[in-house]
Amino acid sequence: AQSVTQPDIHITVSEGASLELRCNYSYGATPYLFWYVQSPGQGLQLLLKYFSGDTLVQGIKGFEAEFKRSQSSFNLRKPSVHWSDAAEYFCAVGMGSGNTGKLIFGQGTTLQVKP
Amino acid sequence: ETGVTQTPRHLVMGMTNKKSLKCEQHLGHNAMYWYKQSAKKPLELMFVYSLEERVENNSVPSRFSPECPNSSHLFLHLHTLQPEDSALYLCASSQYGGDSYEQYFGPGTRLTVT
Repeated sequence: AQSVTQPDIHITVSEGASLELRCNYSYGATPYLFWYVQSPGQGLQLLLKYFSGDTLVQGIKGFEAEFKRSQSSFNLRKPSVHWSDAAEYFCAVGMGSGNTGKLIFGQGTTLQVKP
Repeated sequence: ETGVTQTPRHLVMGMTNKKSLKCEQHLGHNAMYWYKQSAKKPLELMFVYSLEERVENNSVPSRFSPECPNSSHLFLHLHTLQPEDSALYLCASSQYGGDSYEQYFGPGTRLTVT
């Protein structure tokens, strides 16, 4: 069955430090991969997506992610974290053609930023 | 209005009440979704509508009843809920049949069942 795992439930980093949030997926075909961010009391905002091509994708707010097929991973990175990045981050995989664009989400990683 | 809007943003209801959640998308999409987000649990897909037809119902109890009168509007009718139904209910939309499956989310309705 398709699944998404975010191994880290909670991460704390200092402002200005680099960040990497891990995401592993289980899916038989070529996946459509997404990272979303959710601020408290808000809906989910799309940070970036991967469909094909260059395995390093750039997103909004200075985030990037790298697709590694051999490791079934799609880790999110940011070189220097800002206090406003504190939020919950969700990795998701979209199932392939022939369906309604269903997304399967990981359980989320809560990011805390220390001043 | 832009994007996906949801009303109300907060709702408190008793177990015997009947209420409805409303979602409206202004993106010209043709698919809409209801998700349930409970604390410490992954997002749960509840219903999917594509071209105004329900195409998926993920074993959701009958006390939740969706309605999609047109491609821009989606409702979730609630009746005789249980306290465990308290959660954030998120609506999303996407363009079914395109190259991507990215979904655009509304801000959610925080539901508390007393």
